[in-house]
Amino acid sequence: AQSVTQLDSQVPVFEEAPVELRCNYSSSVSVYLFWYVQYPNQGLQLLLKYLSGSTLVKGINGFEAEFNKSQTSFHLRKPSVHISDTAEYFCAVRRYNFNKFYFGSGTKLNVKP
Amino acid sequence: EAGVVQSPRYKIIEKKQPVAFWCNPISGHNTLYWYLQNLGQGPELLIRYENEEAVDDSQLPKDRFSAERLKGVDSTLKIQPAELGDSAVYLCASSPGTDYEQYFGPGTRLTVT
Repeated sequence: AQSVTQLDSQVPVFEEAPVELRCNYSSSVSVYLFWYVQYPNQGLQLLLKYLSGSTLVKGINGFEAEFNKSQTSFHLRKPSVHISDTAEYFCAVRRYNFNKFYFGSGTKLNVKP
Repeated sequence: EAGVVQSPRYKIIEKKQPVAFWCNPISGHNTLYWYLQNLGQGPELLIRYENEEAVDDSQLPKDRFSAERLKGVDSTLKIQPAELGDSAVYLCASSPGTDYEQYFGPGTRLTVT
């Protein structure tokens, strides 16, 4: 089974500052990687995904993530956050040939004015 | 395009009572997932359907949980009897095929008293 580790349960940051949310996974096989965002009382919404190709992936709302195979990481970044980015962010992984998703425990991003 | 619809959004029941959740996936999506999300955790798969077939129910507590997806469209998840530890958010997601990301509904928040 895969495992996904999001080291930071909470990340406070001031508005317009840059932010990085960390995600590491364990897998001996090739995987697809995803970041989802969850606003209060809502379901998860896909931010971005890595399937293959360029290791730098751009998503919605100005977010991007970089796949690092050697470090088995897929960190999420945004150069300048807004108050509206306050939400919980989940990293997820699934194997190429097995349609089962494994989610991290989430990181709550709290953007302060 | 309508998203994944779930009902009810909130449910409060006493322990030992039965409860059912309903999910209507996005039209044309063959794959349907039910997830359990405990407070402060990421979603954990309960069951996955490919059309009307349950292809992965290894994490479904079959002594009290059951699910069905008649005609390969809507799905119902049932708990009978409910226990205090079942209090959580139950998320439904769908996807058009095995190689695509999932689209989540808003979830049903269950409180067992």
